[in-house]
Amino acid sequence: TQLLEQSPQFLSIQEGENLTVYCNSSSVFSSLQWYRQEPGEGPVLLVTVVTGGEVKKLKRLTFQFGDARKDSSLHITAAQPGDTGLYLCAGASGANNLFFGTGTRLTVIP
Amino acid sequence: ETGVTQTPRHLVMGMTNKKSLKCEQHLGHNAMYWYKQSAKKPLELMFVYNFKEQTENNSVPSRFSPECPNSSHLFLHLHTLQPEDSALYLCASSQPGQGESPLHFGNGTRLTVT
Repeated sequence: TQLLEQSPQFLSIQEGENLTVYCNSSSVFSSLQWYRQEPGEGPVLLVTVVTGGEVKKLKRLTFQFGDARKDSSLHITAAQPGDTGLYLCAGASGANNLFFGTGTRLTVIP
Repeated sequence: ETGVTQTPRHLVMGMTNKKSLKCEQHLGHNAMYWYKQSAKKPLELMFVYNFKEQTENNSVPSRFSPECPNSSHLFLHLHTLQPEDSALYLCASSQPGQGESPLHFGNGTRLTVT
């Protein structure tokens, strides 16, 4: 099992603030996916990063894959209550092998 | 209609009961998965089916028995479960061979074993 540690585990911020969530591992992954899970629902894919050093933007969300493909970060600008949820990173290694992180539970207070 | 549908949404069962969880996907995918999500633990992969063939059994106890009659349907048969098996059980599908194919999850079955 390849372990992905996410930090922080819990984060509670005011609407309008910026935040960064980290996903770290000692293992190298061929790609890394970020999912968001809202209460009562399954995780939904936000983005996939494939190349070391890659940066992808999705509106107010910026995702970065580390140069060595062992870590990733998610930065949210001007957080909104709709961003509330559980953020999961998942590293891909081989066919059908997707290892999920420990998760960051974000609460954005109006 | 959601791409991956799981039923029931909630299930309470005693330790001696037998029940089944159902998953159906309408995305035309050929890989289906069962995951277990417990509090304070990462999502745990339980089983993987590719083209109806089981390709992964992640050391899951035999009290969990999967069944995949076709590429659109996946079941998880449960019997003589333990209280520590209480969790959210998530089904997912993907299309293998399509680059970095993401998982499409259902909304899960919240299982409570009493």
